[in-house]
Amino acid sequence: DQQVKQNSPSLSVQEGRISILNCDYTNSMFDYFLWYKKYPAEGPTFLISISSIKDKNEDGRFTVFLNKSAKHLSLHIVPSQPGDSAVYFCAAKIINRDDKIIFGKGTRLHILP
Amino acid sequence: NAGVTQTPKFRILKIGQSMTLQCTQDMNHNYMYWYRQDPGMGLKLIYYSVGAGITDKGEVPNGYNVSRSTTEDFPLRLELAAPSQTSVYFCASRQSGTGHEAFFGQGTRLTVV
Repeated sequence: DQQVKQNSPSLSVQEGRISILNCDYTNSMFDYFLWYKKYPAEGPTFLISISSIKDKNEDGRFTVFLNKSAKHLSLHIVPSQPGDSAVYFCAAKIINRDDKIIFGKGTRLHILP
Repeated sequence: NAGVTQTPKFRILKIGQSMTLQCTQDMNHNYMYWYRQDPGMGLKLIYYSVGAGITDKGEVPNGYNVSRSTTEDFPLRLELAAPSQTSVYFCASRQSGTGHEAFFGQGTRLTVV
């Protein structure tokens, strides 16, 4: 039973436009969410996170939005750049509990020239 | 600064053989994790540890064992390798307290034939 879902396996976006990656979760106990970026043959690297007490967190070109009632979060990248082409993983955890970080299947983002 | 180091980077095993995937971190992190990544399946948590001497099962622990005798090292043991264990394995660590993001190693690509 998948607790963190990324339903789009891939996404293609023109360079300079906005990339929007979506993530849904089923466990209402999750209270912290993270996005990771992964290049081929490398380990995932942390990108941005958000606590459930917030509905938005911004870091440069990256913004994460959280809609708790819909159990949905999204990552916005503006403007998209060629180096953003990678696989993006959404992850979730329950703070102060068992500390497991649960990942989604990932979305492969292609930035088109 | 090494961060999280995994060895080996690649390995081919025959069915029934055993091996240990090594993971060491030099950041003095309490928490350590082992994940496997299968194509199109995201990252699945195998085992994790919240400190030396403490380990717990993740989502897919069958066929694996771990130990945590020191803060730095978290080896993953495969006793009887099976083709279903062909995957890329990632080790990660994170600091307890407010540092919720985990830092990943480069991965070990394992093929069981």
